[in-house]
Amino acid sequence: QLQLQESGPGLVKPSETLSLTCAVSGDSISSSGYFWGWLRQPPGKGLEWIGTAFYKGGTYYNPSLQSRVLISVDTSKNQVSLNVTSVSAADTAIYYCVRHWGRLLWSAFDSWGQGARVIVAS
Amino acid sequence: EIVLTQSPGTLSLSPGERATLSCRASHSVMTNYLAWYQQKPGQAPRLLIYGASSRATGIPDRFSGSGSGTDFSLTISRLEPEDFAVYFCQQYGSSITFGQGTRLEIK
Repeated sequence: QLQLQESGPGLVKPSETLSLTCAVSGDSISSSGYFWGWLRQPPGKGLEWIGTAFYKGGTYYNPSLQSRVLISVDTSKNQVSLNVTSVSAADTAIYYCVRHWGRLLWSAFDSWGQGARVIVAS
Repeated sequence: EIVLTQSPGTLSLSPGERATLSCRASHSVMTNYLAWYQQKPGQAPRLLIYGASSRATGIPDRFSGSGSGTDFSLTISRLEPEDFAVYFCQQYGSSITFGQGTRLEIK
């Protein structure tokens, strides 16, 4: 059974870099052919797509965040990572690791991690 | 960017009733690339519907999606107690954006 588990610091200082890792179990990132992404949800608000990566190296980002975001895939560890630079209070959110449905880039999200809560504060 | 507007913001109904949630797009959604999710407090969202009308794996048939172009809806035919939650729509025809959500609460 597929499981996604986010991990990383729960508190990040303003202007620093937010780094999260998603450990994937029950499926191989490199052989499954799926796209893997990150979404976030600020407290009490809706969802925002951050970006997506494919194990062969393609990455795709939300234009509004593209200048500050890097998503990478480590096939040896079966992990997907997220870095967001120059964070501010507006980056406070629950961050979700997700799998795209149907081995398609532009698709819905059929598997979700439980989420990692990140607070940006000094 | 395609903006999705969901209505109503809050819907108050009783178990056994029929619920209809709306999602309106600012521009036509290509190939009906629209999905619906259910989110309960403290949980990650769960995919209900993709491609505007296809149920995801394991989703009960009381959930149905319809619509095309700019107007989409999610219908729950007979509300069960576990259906009271927040529902989001998502379009993936032009980048990826979400609606702001509809809260379905017990009347």
